Amino acid sequence: NAGVTQTPKFRVLKTGQSMTLLCAQDMNHEYMYWYRQDPGMGLRLIHYSVGEGTTAKGEVPDGYNVSRLKKQNFLLGLESAAPSQTSVYFCASSYIGSLAKNIQYFGAGTRLSVL
Amino acid sequence: GESVGLHLPTLSVQEGDNSIINCAYSNSASDYFIWYKQESGKGPQFIIDIRSNMDKRQGQRVTVLLNKTVKHLSLQIAATQPGDSAVYFCAEKVGGSARQLTFGSGTQLTVLP
Repeated sequence: NAGVTQTPKFRVLKTGQSMTLLCAQDMNHEYMYWYRQDPGMGLRLIHYSVGEGTTAKGEVPDGYNVSRLKKQNFLLGLESAAPSQTSVYFCASSYIGSLAKNIQYFGAGTRLSVL
Repeated sequence: GESVGLHLPTLSVQEGDNSIINCAYSNSASDYFIWYKQESGKGPQFIIDIRSNMDKRQGQRVTVLLNKTVKHLSLQIAATQPGDSAVYFCAEKVGGSARQLTFGSGTQLTVLP
């Protein structure tokens, strides 16, 4: 029972390089989210998806793009990495059901450093 | 936009004592609240949630209290254990917001031997 799996776990980039973070969930959840977490701060929503083929901007979307081509996968892309994007990135997913099912399940995170 | 905040950034308790972690929110339209535990190097883990039509909810060793009058949320951990040492986040969901959660900055709980 894997839950939410993020790859890679660690990555170091040079300024201007690009990369894609992959999130996969095996719980058949409709909703998926990408957050970033910076020291001393809570999680901030980058982008989210309410279903296959749909994405929407969150609180801090600039510099990121996302795609949800398959229900189980949610990709986060950095086209031209900047030092300000050094952070820990978390993916989460949640069930589409009733209000009581708003629980988001998180992956273990990807630590990204941009030099 | 409105966001969730925490009264204290750190909390230290003796092993075996009860812990109380507080959270203030300012959006009166929030209809759901959730607490997460995050251990070092790991992703947030669900602890307990509560809907706005409830005042209290209990889980295993944890209780969440909601006071809508003063917009205050608390997490009580009974008989705190070393394994409870972690950062605790509260989050709120505003009604009709496509299930987006707004997270507070977290409280670091340290359990002393």
